[in-house]
Amino acid sequence: DAGVIQSPRHEVTEMGQEVTLRCKPISGHDYLFWYRQTMMRGLELLIYFNNNVPIDDSGMPEDRFSAKMPNASFSTLKIQPSEPRDSAVYFCASSPTSGSGNEQFFGPGTRLTVL
Amino acid sequence: GEDVEQSLFLSVREGDSSVINCTYTDSSSTYLYWYKQEPGAGLQLLTYIFSNMDMKQDQRLTVLLNKKDKHLSLRIADTQTGDSAIYFCAEMWSGNTPLVFGKGTRLSVIA
Repeated sequence: DAGVIQSPRHEVTEMGQEVTLRCKPISGHDYLFWYRQTMMRGLELLIYFNNNVPIDDSGMPEDRFSAKMPNASFSTLKIQPSEPRDSAVYFCASSPTSGSGNEQFFGPGTRLTVL
Repeated sequence: GEDVEQSLFLSVREGDSSVINCTYTDSSSTYLYWYKQEPGAGLQLLTYIFSNMDMKQDQRLTVLLNKKDKHLSLRIADTQTGDSAIYFCAEMWSGNTPLVFGKGTRLSVIA
């Protein structure tokens, strides 16, 4: 398997623009997580899905952030409008329902810079 | 405490053992994990331990768990320059729930 795939790997945009981050989980995994990594706050959960249904979005910073999972093999995280404080690395992770250690497998991340 | 806590930096000489410590938040956490992050890269799962265990060994890695003190440690034997990275401790409060991460420990290995 190719692992969790994220695109783009790097995104530079200007304040006010819409940004869409994409994730393809590992085939057969039922859980998908979006995390954000910043120097100040470390790694934090934004939202997670089970069987394409959002379970907990309490980590989404504000209404400018939205996430969807239209099918089992694709998820998007959208920021509209983007702000400089959204600059961070955004990770997607997936896990199977029944794994020996409930391991979450992470993608390579999308480094977002908002100017 | 409410945060998963780790010391920020550790420096060791090549060939020595490294011990990275972590204090987690919930004594009933189901699983505890160690992830490694190299510069510009994602998180690589190194190992995990189930809450009913107190030790797990995997080649050069040894994980010790003290549930009473909510303390987790990762020992890397014969540390190599390729082990230089940031190491994250994470807990999972119950199955298939989000991970709660520490801020990471930056390990520097001196040749």
